[in-house]
Amino acid sequence: GAVVSQHPSWVICKSGTSVKIECRSLDFQATTMFWYRQFPKQSLMLMATSNEGSKATYEQGVEKDKFLINHASLTLSTLTVTSAHPEDSSFYICSAVSTGLRYEQYFGPGTRLTVT
Amino acid sequence: AQSVTQPDIHITVSEGASLELRCNYSYGATPYLFWYVQSPGQGLQLLLKYFSGDTLVQGIKGFEAEFKRSQSSFNLRKPSVHWSDAAEYFCAVGADGNKLVFGAGTILRVKS
Repeated sequence: GAVVSQHPSWVICKSGTSVKIECRSLDFQATTMFWYRQFPKQSLMLMATSNEGSKATYEQGVEKDKFLINHASLTLSTLTVTSAHPEDSSFYICSAVSTGLRYEQYFGPGTRLTVT
Repeated sequence: AQSVTQPDIHITVSEGASLELRCNYSYGATPYLFWYVQSPGQGLQLLLKYFSGDTLVQGIKGFEAEFKRSQSSFNLRKPSVHWSDAAEYFCAVGADGNKLVFGAGTILRVKS
């Protein structure tokens, strides 16, 4: 149990376009999902906290107008990278918290974004 | 603010040898501590966690970790490493709002 999927697993887009990444909890409900960014050989940096039915909370330094997060249901959160640029190329990882279990984050496999 | 330090970027051990990955944390209160493993193409998998109680924690895949408050450490150990253990390992500490703060990670290489 506790499986989190991400789609797509990798995507290439042109500079200036937008790309949407989906994060789904497959067998449990997640009131909270987190979005991380991971640069090569670096740690996971938390970008934002996504709560179902409310606005996402962004970490300091993360542009909320660039990284749009929507958590429309208890099993789906989306991250849209708007007007992508090469510096947005990265590995994006989501995690989902099973309702009621503190710190019990289940991680998706990640999405590799390359902006050309 | 909470922080996690993993001093070793890379570690290479021989198959069958013992392993210890270091983790130091900074947190004012009793920390919630975690070790995750990340293999290529797979999501982070929780190896073990410490919330309270016994300071020696057993996890999956034969891993254990010991919480030492006096040293602000939570080192991960395994008595005999297998080639399949080659991966990247992350130590993390729980923060406000169910967040996790991760260390920079340690890449484990296993030589046969």
